[in-house]
Amino acid sequence: GAVVSQHPSWVICKSGTSVKIECRSLDFQATTMFWYRQFPKQSLMLMATSNEGSKATYEQGVEKDKFLINHASLTLSTLTVTSAHPEDSSFYICSAGSGQGAQNEQFFGPGTRLTVL
Amino acid sequence: AQKVTQAQTEISVVEKEDVTLDCVYETRDTTYYLFWYKQPPSGELVFLIRRNSFDEQNEISGRYSWNFQKSTSSFNFTITASQVVDSAVYFCALSEAEGKSTFGDGTTLTVKP
Repeated sequence: GAVVSQHPSWVICKSGTSVKIECRSLDFQATTMFWYRQFPKQSLMLMATSNEGSKATYEQGVEKDKFLINHASLTLSTLTVTSAHPEDSSFYICSAGSGQGAQNEQFFGPGTRLTVL
Repeated sequence: AQKVTQAQTEISVVEKEDVTLDCVYETRDTTYYLFWYKQPPSGELVFLIRRNSFDEQNEISGRYSWNFQKSTSSFNFTITASQVVDSAVYFCALSEAEGKSTFGDGTTLTVKP
Protein backbone atom coordinates (compact mmCIF):
# COMPACT_ATOMS: atom_id res chain seq x y z
CA GLY A 1 0.00 0.00 0.00
CA ALA A 2 0.89 3.67 -0.12
CA VAL A 3 3.28 5.11 2.43
CA VAL A 4 2.82 8.16 4.59
CA SER A 5 5.70 9.44 6.66
CA GLN A 6 5.87 11.88 9.55
CA HIS A 7 8.78 13.86 10.85
CA PRO A 8 9.87 14.01 13.54
CA SER A 9 8.72 10.80 15.17
CA TRP A 10 9.06 12.41 18.56
CA VAL A 11 9.92 15.84 19.86
CA ILE A 12 10.43 17.43 23.27
CA CYS A 13 10.18 21.18 23.54
CA LYS A 14 9.96 23.89 26.14
CA SER A 15 6.71 25.60 26.95
CA GLY A 16 6.15 28.65 24.76
CA THR A 17 8.06 27.41 21.76
CA SER A 18 6.62 26.33 18.41
CA VAL A 19 6.94 22.90 16.88
CA LYS A 20 6.45 21.91 13.26
CA ILE A 21 5.38 18.41 12.28
CA GLU A 22 5.58 17.23 8.68
CA CYS A 23 3.34 14.71 6.96
CA ARG A 24 4.44 13.40 3.58
CA SER A 25 2.84 11.05 1.12
CA LEU A 26 5.85 9.24 -0.32
CA ASP A 27 4.54 7.53 -3.40
CA PHE A 28 1.28 9.25 -4.21
CA GLN A 29 -0.25 12.69 -4.34
CA ALA A 30 -2.83 13.76 -1.82
CA THR A 31 -5.06 16.77 -2.27
CA THR A 32 -6.43 16.22 1.20
CA MET A 33 -4.69 15.18 4.39
CA PHE A 34 -6.12 14.85 7.86
CA TRP A 35 -4.57 15.62 11.22
CA TYR A 36 -5.58 13.68 14.33
CA ARG A 37 -4.60 14.03 17.97
CA GLN A 38 -4.51 11.25 20.53
CA PHE A 39 -4.12 11.93 24.24
CA PRO A 40 -2.85 9.10 26.46
CA LYS A 41 -5.28 6.23 26.75
CA GLN A 42 -7.78 7.98 24.53
CA SER A 43 -8.99 7.62 20.98
CA LEU A 44 -7.89 9.55 17.93
CA MET A 45 -9.76 12.77 17.41
CA LEU A 46 -9.83 14.62 14.12
CA MET A 47 -8.33 18.07 14.43
CA ALA A 48 -8.49 19.43 10.91
CA THR A 49 -8.67 18.72 7.23
CA SER A 50 -5.69 19.99 5.27
CA ASN A 51 -6.50 21.03 1.71
CA GLU A 52 -3.77 21.54 -0.85
CA GLY A 53 -3.66 25.13 -1.99
CA SER A 54 -6.37 26.38 0.33
CA LYS A 55 -7.13 26.94 3.97
CA ALA A 56 -7.51 24.07 6.35
CA THR A 57 -10.87 23.19 7.82
CA TYR A 58 -10.80 22.85 11.59
CA GLU A 59 -13.03 20.75 13.78
CA GLN A 60 -15.05 22.38 16.48
CA GLY A 61 -12.99 23.27 19.50
CA VAL A 62 -9.63 23.25 17.70
CA GLU A 63 -7.89 26.64 17.71
CA LYS A 64 -6.82 27.45 14.19
CA ASP A 65 -4.42 30.14 15.37
CA LYS A 66 -2.67 27.69 17.63
CA PHE A 67 -2.50 24.77 15.23
CA LEU A 68 -1.32 26.17 11.92
CA ILE A 69 -1.71 23.89 8.94
CA ASN A 70 0.00 24.41 5.61
CA HIS A 71 -0.59 22.10 2.67
CA ALA A 72 1.81 23.64 0.20
CA SER A 73 2.15 20.72 -2.17
CA LEU A 74 0.39 17.51 -3.09
CA THR A 75 2.80 15.49 -1.00
CA LEU A 76 3.37 17.62 2.08
CA SER A 77 1.25 19.00 4.87
CA THR A 78 2.68 20.60 7.98
CA LEU A 79 1.16 21.15 11.39
CA THR A 80 2.75 23.82 13.55
CA VAL A 81 1.86 23.89 17.22
CA THR A 82 2.46 27.50 18.20
CA SER A 83 3.35 28.57 21.72
CA ALA A 84 3.12 25.01 22.90
CA HIS A 85 2.04 24.26 26.46
CA PRO A 86 2.17 21.04 28.46
CA GLU A 87 -1.49 20.36 27.70
CA ASP A 88 -0.57 20.15 24.00
CA SER A 89 1.53 17.08 24.75
CA SER A 90 -0.03 14.39 22.66
CA PHE A 91 0.41 11.93 19.80
CA TYR A 92 -0.26 13.62 16.47
CA ILE A 93 -1.12 11.42 13.50
CA CYS A 94 -1.79 12.40 9.92
CA SER A 95 -3.51 10.51 7.15
CA ALA A 96 -3.52 10.99 3.41
CA GLY A 97 -5.81 9.68 0.71
CA SER A 98 -4.56 8.26 -2.55
CA GLY A 99 -7.67 8.84 -4.60
CA GLN A 100 -10.98 10.59 -4.73
CA GLY A 101 -14.48 9.71 -3.75
CA ALA A 102 -15.02 6.01 -3.43
CA GLN A 103 -11.37 5.32 -4.22
CA ASN A 104 -10.06 7.60 -1.49
CA GLU A 105 -8.35 5.04 0.70
CA GLN A 106 -6.69 6.61 3.70
CA PHE A 107 -3.18 5.76 4.82
CA PHE A 108 -1.95 6.80 8.24
CA GLY A 109 1.45 8.09 9.15
CA PRO A 110 3.39 6.58 12.07
CA GLY A 111 2.61 9.51 14.33
CA THR A 112 4.63 12.16 16.15
CA ARG A 113 4.81 12.17 19.91
CA LEU A 114 5.03 15.70 21.26
CA THR A 115 6.09 16.36 24.84
CA VAL A 116 5.99 19.93 26.08
CA LEU A 117 7.94 20.58 29.25
CA ALA B 1 -23.00 12.66 12.37
CA GLN B 2 -20.91 9.56 12.39
CA LYS B 3 -20.32 7.51 15.47
CA VAL B 4 -18.36 4.39 16.29
CA THR B 5 -18.96 2.47 19.48
CA GLN B 6 -16.62 -0.10 20.91
CA ALA B 7 -18.46 -1.21 23.99
CA GLN B 8 -15.61 -3.28 25.37
CA THR B 9 -13.06 -1.04 27.02
CA GLU B 10 -10.77 -3.85 28.14
CA ILE B 11 -10.64 -7.55 27.45
CA SER B 12 -8.32 -10.03 29.07
CA VAL B 13 -7.90 -13.57 27.79
CA VAL B 14 -5.49 -16.42 28.21
CA GLU B 15 -3.31 -17.40 25.31
CA LYS B 16 -4.98 -19.67 22.73
CA GLU B 17 -8.44 -18.45 23.58
CA ASP B 18 -10.57 -16.92 20.85
CA VAL B 19 -11.68 -13.35 21.37
CA THR B 20 -14.15 -11.11 19.57
CA LEU B 21 -13.96 -7.34 19.60
CA ASP B 22 -17.24 -5.60 18.94
CA CYS B 23 -17.80 -2.52 16.82
CA VAL B 24 -21.09 -0.79 16.10
CA TYR B 25 -21.31 2.25 13.87
CA GLU B 26 -23.74 4.97 12.87
CA THR B 27 -23.72 6.92 9.64
CA ARG B 28 -26.14 8.48 7.21
CA ASP B 29 -23.82 7.99 4.28
CA THR B 30 -24.53 5.20 1.82
CA THR B 31 -20.88 4.99 0.84
CA TYR B 32 -18.48 4.55 3.71
CA TYR B 33 -15.53 2.50 4.83
CA LEU B 34 -14.87 0.54 7.96
CA PHE B 35 -11.45 -0.15 9.37
CA TRP B 36 -9.72 -1.98 12.14
CA TYR B 37 -6.35 -0.79 13.40
CA LYS B 38 -4.01 -2.24 15.97
CA GLN B 39 -2.01 0.14 18.14
CA PRO B 40 0.81 -1.53 20.06
CA PRO B 41 2.57 0.31 22.91
CA SER B 42 4.90 1.96 20.40
CA GLY B 43 1.90 4.01 19.25
CA GLU B 44 2.02 3.44 15.53
CA LEU B 45 -1.30 2.52 13.96
CA VAL B 46 -1.13 -0.83 12.22
CA PHE B 47 -3.70 -1.24 9.48
CA LEU B 48 -5.60 -4.52 9.69
CA ILE B 49 -8.53 -4.30 7.30
CA ARG B 50 -10.64 -1.93 5.22
CA ARG B 51 -14.16 -2.72 4.12
CA ASN B 52 -16.45 -0.63 1.96
CA SER B 53 -20.16 -0.39 2.61
CA PHE B 54 -21.04 -2.39 -0.47
CA ASP B 55 -18.99 -5.42 0.44
CA GLU B 56 -20.55 -7.47 3.20
CA GLN B 57 -18.43 -10.49 2.57
CA ASN B 58 -16.74 -11.71 5.70
CA GLU B 59 -13.01 -11.98 5.57
CA ILE B 60 -10.43 -14.24 7.10
CA SER B 61 -6.74 -13.52 7.24
CA GLY B 62 -4.80 -16.07 9.18
CA ARG B 63 -6.01 -15.96 12.77
CA TYR B 64 -8.02 -12.80 12.11
CA SER B 65 -11.56 -12.70 10.83
CA TRP B 66 -14.11 -9.97 10.41
CA ASN B 67 -17.89 -10.11 10.38
CA PHE B 68 -19.60 -7.20 8.66
CA GLN B 69 -23.36 -7.07 9.26
CA LYS B 70 -24.94 -4.06 7.61
CA SER B 71 -28.35 -4.96 9.06
CA THR B 72 -27.05 -4.43 12.58
CA SER B 73 -24.40 -1.82 11.66
CA SER B 74 -21.70 -3.97 13.14
CA PHE B 75 -18.18 -4.84 12.10
CA ASN B 76 -16.81 -7.30 14.62
CA PHE B 77 -13.27 -8.60 14.75
CA THR B 78 -12.31 -12.07 15.97
CA ILE B 79 -8.86 -13.31 16.83
CA THR B 80 -8.60 -17.06 16.90
CA ALA B 81 -6.08 -18.79 19.14
CA SER B 82 -4.86 -15.51 20.60
CA GLN B 83 -1.20 -14.94 21.30
CA VAL B 84 0.63 -12.66 23.71
CA VAL B 85 1.78 -10.55 20.74
CA ASP B 86 -1.85 -9.73 20.03
CA SER B 87 -1.91 -7.57 23.16
CA ALA B 88 -2.60 -4.02 22.02
CA VAL B 89 -5.31 -1.42 21.70
CA TYR B 90 -7.61 -2.09 18.78
CA PHE B 91 -9.55 0.68 17.11
CA CYS B 92 -12.52 0.40 14.84
CA ALA B 93 -12.98 3.38 12.53
CA LEU B 94 -15.53 4.66 10.07
CA SER B 95 -14.53 6.79 7.13
CA GLU B 96 -16.74 8.75 4.80
CA ALA B 97 -15.98 8.90 1.10
CA GLU B 98 -13.91 12.06 1.46
CA GLY B 99 -11.61 10.34 3.89
CA LYS B 100 -12.45 11.90 7.24
CA SER B 101 -12.35 9.14 9.86
CA THR B 102 -14.20 8.68 13.11
CA PHE B 103 -12.60 6.33 15.59
CA GLY B 104 -14.13 4.29 18.37
CA ASP B 105 -12.69 4.62 21.85
CA GLY B 106 -10.64 1.49 21.40
CA THR B 107 -10.52 -1.88 23.11
CA THR B 108 -7.46 -2.80 25.11
CA LEU B 109 -6.76 -6.47 24.63
CA THR B 110 -4.46 -8.26 27.04
CA VAL B 111 -3.46 -11.79 26.22
CA LYS B 112 -1.86 -13.56 29.15
CA PRO B 113 0.52 -16.46 28.72
